[in-house]
Amino acid sequence: AQSVTQLDSQVPVFEEAPVELRCNYSSSVSVYLFWYVQYPNQGLQLLLKYLSGSTLVKGINGFEAEFNKSQTSFHLRKPSVHISDTAEYFCAVGADTGNQFYFGTGTSLTVIP
Amino acid sequence: GAGVSQSPRYKVAKRGQDVALRCDPISGHVSLFWYQQALGQGPEFLTYFQNEAQLDKSGLPSDRFFAERPEGSVSTLKIQRTQQEDSAVYLCASSLDRGSGYTFGSGTRLTVV
Repeated sequence: AQSVTQLDSQVPVFEEAPVELRCNYSSSVSVYLFWYVQYPNQGLQLLLKYLSGSTLVKGINGFEAEFNKSQTSFHLRKPSVHISDTAEYFCAVGADTGNQFYFGTGTSLTVIP
Repeated sequence: GAGVSQSPRYKVAKRGQDVALRCDPISGHVSLFWYQQALGQGPEFLTYFQNEAQLDKSGLPSDRFFAERPEGSVSTLKIQRTQQEDSAVYLCASSLDRGSGYTFGSGTRLTVV
């Protein structure tokens, strides 16, 4: 089975500063990796995904993530955050042999004006 | 439709009542998933459908939980004799294929009093 660890439950950051949200996974098979964002009282919205190929993945809203197989990580980054980026961020892993995805417990990003 | 639609958005049930939560996936999406999200947690897998077939129900917490998708489109998650620990947001997601990631609905917030 797969599992996901999001190391930081809360990340405060000043507006226009860079941010990195950490995600580590465990799996014995090849995986798909995703980052989702959840705004208050809304469902989850896909930010970006890694399936194969280039390890640097670019997503919506200026976010990007890098797949590192040796470190089993998929950290999310943004060079300059906006107030509107304040939300909950979830990392998810799925195996190419299964159907369901496993989610981390989430990281609450708060952008401070 | 354009997105995944869930109804009702909010449901308050007295302990012991039965509830039914509806999910209308994106047209043409073969795969449909139900997740349960407790407060401050990531989504936890409940069950998975491929068309009308329920291929995985390993995440259903008890035999009080039942899901169906009789015509391979709309799905209903039913919870019988609700308990306080059932209070959570129930998320539905649909997917075209495994590598696409999920498209989530806005969820149904169930509160059992």
